[in-house]
Amino acid sequence: GAGVSQTPSNKVTEKGKYVELRCDPISGHTALYWYRQSLGQGPEFLIYFQGTGAADDSGLPNDRFFAVRPEGSVSTLKIQRTERGDSAVYLCASSPGSLNTGELFFGEGSRLTVL
Amino acid sequence: QKEVEQDPGPLSVPEGAIVSLNCTYSNSAFQYFMWYRQYSRKGPELLMYTYSSGNKEDGRFTAQVDKSSKYISLFIRDSQPSDSATYLCAMSADWGAGKSTFGDGTTLTVKP
Repeated sequence: GAGVSQTPSNKVTEKGKYVELRCDPISGHTALYWYRQSLGQGPEFLIYFQGTGAADDSGLPNDRFFAVRPEGSVSTLKIQRTERGDSAVYLCASSPGSLNTGELFFGEGSRLTVL
Repeated sequence: QKEVEQDPGPLSVPEGAIVSLNCTYSNSAFQYFMWYRQYSRKGPELLMYTYSSGNKEDGRFTAQVDKSSKYISLFIRDSQPSDSATYLCAMSADWGAGKSTFGDGTTLTVKP
């Protein structure tokens, strides 16, 4: 597809369950970002991949959150033992990955609700 | 205190008005300053970006950056109902090779 694709668009789960959110970036984009956006707030940085490696994971809130990008394209954000406070829209963005070409192309997000 | 603070709004203006949106920041390492527009239940999309201090104009939109005051602005001239959205400022030190830090957004409604 032409844009960043995220699945599922909506996920409702129970406290304590495990969740996976998938991101398919724009073809050829080497940089991939995960952000979390709570109601009424701006996107909050979680993790940045350059290729297959996590170049910056300083935004992951705790060890329940983990993300992978094994082949340098699709990425999966994994959340263990979900808590009600994890409810938010999880946004994925990709960019070409070169310096001075930093426009972020966002997907529509995965809306996570933890009951 | 957050690294990026944005005037919270909401703003409601009549069609044709000039709109001013503002952010302040505390991190001197920021070199790139962006404005994103976000419609309801959509991802943000880039409107404009500016490197370092100065002005940049694109049609009805003008972005201003004053690094000495750590203050950035977005002006929208001749506002249209289609401009109704949430506007997010964002900043980064190395654009294209690192994270961007976002403000919390200002929701704008332009009434016909």
